[in-house]
Amino acid sequence: NAGVTQTPKFQVLKTGQSMTLQCAQDMNHEYMSWYRQDPGMGLRLIHYSVGAGITDQGEVPNGYNVSRSTTEDFPLRLLSAAPSQTSVYFCASSYGTGELFFGEGSRLTVL
Amino acid sequence: KQEVTQIPAALSVPEGENLVLNCSFTDSAIYNLQWFRQDPGKGLTSLLLIQSSQREQTSGRLNASLDKSSGRSTLYIAASQPGDSATYLCAVRLPGAQKLVFGQGTRLTINP
Repeated sequence: NAGVTQTPKFQVLKTGQSMTLQCAQDMNHEYMSWYRQDPGMGLRLIHYSVGAGITDQGEVPNGYNVSRSTTEDFPLRLLSAAPSQTSVYFCASSYGTGELFFGEGSRLTVL
Repeated sequence: KQEVTQIPAALSVPEGENLVLNCSFTDSAIYNLQWFRQDPGKGLTSLLLIQSSQREQTSGRLNASLDKSSGRSTLYIAASQPGDSATYLCAVRLPGAQKLVFGQGTRLTINP
């Protein structure tokens, strides 16, 4: 099993550009989420989903959109990138409220 | 508001020592607690998950304990090895909540 797969691993954007971070899991987990990790701030929840067609906001949702059309995929869209969105992004999934599994991360730099 | 604290922020010990990493949380009404390790530039790897009804969990050389009443969890690493060097994070999930609250982590270095 591949677990949680994120692409791309690295990305550089200019301010105002848009892009989508991809996340896929092959464990048939209902729950998927996106976190960002910043020095001194720890991990913060951006958006999450408890199943296909259901999404909700986390702590820091502004500037990001998500959708969940299938159980496997949970893409994160940056609508108009800002330097404050420079971060490492992690996708995670779990079966219900059980053990959480993380992807390898996507490192984003916004110039 | 739930807050999770890990002290110390960094720890360096010689190879072979047994060691304990600490995690404290302010709200004892947790659903579960999970320990992770993170290697530089990598994602988080799940080590142990303890449900609120459990007192401890073991996996190989790792043992995690949970004391909800005092708001504390410890991760015990036996016979440490250089390969154990990483940042260790704990996270708690509140009942009915879909997010985990993470500590800032303890950066562990095992010296050969």
